[in-house]
Amino acid sequence: GQSLEQPSEVTAVEGAIVQINCTYQTSGFYGLSWYQQHDGGAPTFLSYNALDGLEETGRFSSFLSRSDSYGYLLLQELQMKDSASYFCAVVLNSNYQLIWGAGTKLIIKP
Amino acid sequence: DGGITQSPKYLFRKEGQNVTLSCEQNLNHDAMYWYRQDPGQGLRLIYYSQIVNDFQKGDIAEGYSVSREKKESFPLTVTSAQKNPTAFYLCASSSPQRRGGTDTQYFGPGTRLTVL
Repeated sequence: GQSLEQPSEVTAVEGAIVQINCTYQTSGFYGLSWYQQHDGGAPTFLSYNALDGLEETGRFSSFLSRSDSYGYLLLQELQMKDSASYFCAVVLNSNYQLIWGAGTKLIIKP
Repeated sequence: DGGITQSPKYLFRKEGQNVTLSCEQNLNHDAMYWYRQDPGQGLRLIYYSQIVNDFQKGDIAEGYSVSREKKESFPLTVTSAQKNPTAFYLCASSSPQRRGGTDTQYFGPGTRLTVL
């Protein structure tokens, strides 16, 4: 079956850097996506890796290694507003569906 | 402004009643999706539709039904057969990219359904 594993919770300090990992067991996917969801809100798209390597978008970067079945989201210069849940998801190439991880709750302390 | 709307934001239902959740998009997207999210959990796919008049079951379709008569609209009916319907329901749409392109999903604000 298809599955993605993420830590359930990560704690970091304001201004620091944090990495949220995502390991997967799936075959045949186009790429790895990351979404952010604040409490009570809807998920919003953050980044997408179609190829291995690092993609940078401002304070956020995302990495994919297909050979290691692994990706991560890196958040720099953490701000209190970054407190949210972060989900990784893969786009299956069989039906273009997104398969979602269970999400990582990021707690930021002053 | 383009986007996805869901209504109502909060919905209360008595046990044994069917209820329909609305989802409308004006992004001209072909694909639409319904997800269920329980507290502290990820998103689980209920149904999805890649084209008008066609839809497929997701992982947890039992107790739910959908229709896709128009490109813009994808209503979800939660039937009395759904044993535990209290949850946060999210509708999304996308314009699927072929050959490895990103398939960003855009979400509506969600409907929080509570069964009394």
